[in-house]
Amino acid sequence: DQQVKQNSPSLSVQEGRISILNCDYTNSMFDYFLWYKKYPAEGPTFLISISSIKDKNEDGRFTVFLNKSAKHLSLHIVPSQPGDSAVYFCAASLKYNDMRFGAGTRLTVKP
Amino acid sequence: GAGVSQSPSNKVTEKGKDVELRCDPISGHTALYWYRQSLGQGLEFLIYFQGNSAPDKSGLPSDRFSAERTGGSVSTLTIQRTQQEDSAVYLCASSLGGRGHGYTFGSGTRLTVV
Repeated sequence: DQQVKQNSPSLSVQEGRISILNCDYTNSMFDYFLWYKKYPAEGPTFLISISSIKDKNEDGRFTVFLNKSAKHLSLHIVPSQPGDSAVYFCAASLKYNDMRFGAGTRLTVKP
Repeated sequence: GAGVSQSPSNKVTEKGKDVELRCDPISGHTALYWYRQSLGQGLEFLIYFQGNSAPDKSGLPSDRFSAERTGGSVSTLTIQRTQQEDSAVYLCASSLGGRGHGYTFGSGTRLTVV
């Protein structure tokens, strides 16, 4: 039962352009959402989060948008840099121990 | 240490053998989680420890899986009588318990059951 879905397994963008990673969820009770970034042979690292009471959260080049009516969130990276190349996981949470992850999207930023 | 440490980084075992995976969380982190990632899948929650409370084992896929956390620090995930479907990357994470902090993950243990 995949409650969090990332339908694009991969995304390729040019350096300097915008990267948009998408995530859909099915459980309307999720109230906290996070994005993690994972490099090969390393564990995922926390990137940015958003509470369901907000529709946007920004941190430097990274912005997360939440559309509750559509049960959709997205991560925007502007401008994209080659060092951003990684696998990005979105996650949704009901409580601390119930974080559900998507399958990940591999982002490649070409110089 | 500065991060979450997991050992071994890779483990190849024969079907039917038992394996133990170890996790050293960040010092002071009261919450510890185990997840696994099978090929092409997201991170699947397995078990959660919070302080001295009883662990939440609701994600363990079968009774062949167990975990303990000694002294509120190091955790061991044990898989008995391993099966090929147990092959995955097993990730441990720790946190201060606040959702705003997110989790800090270790590099994982890649388990291959042959």
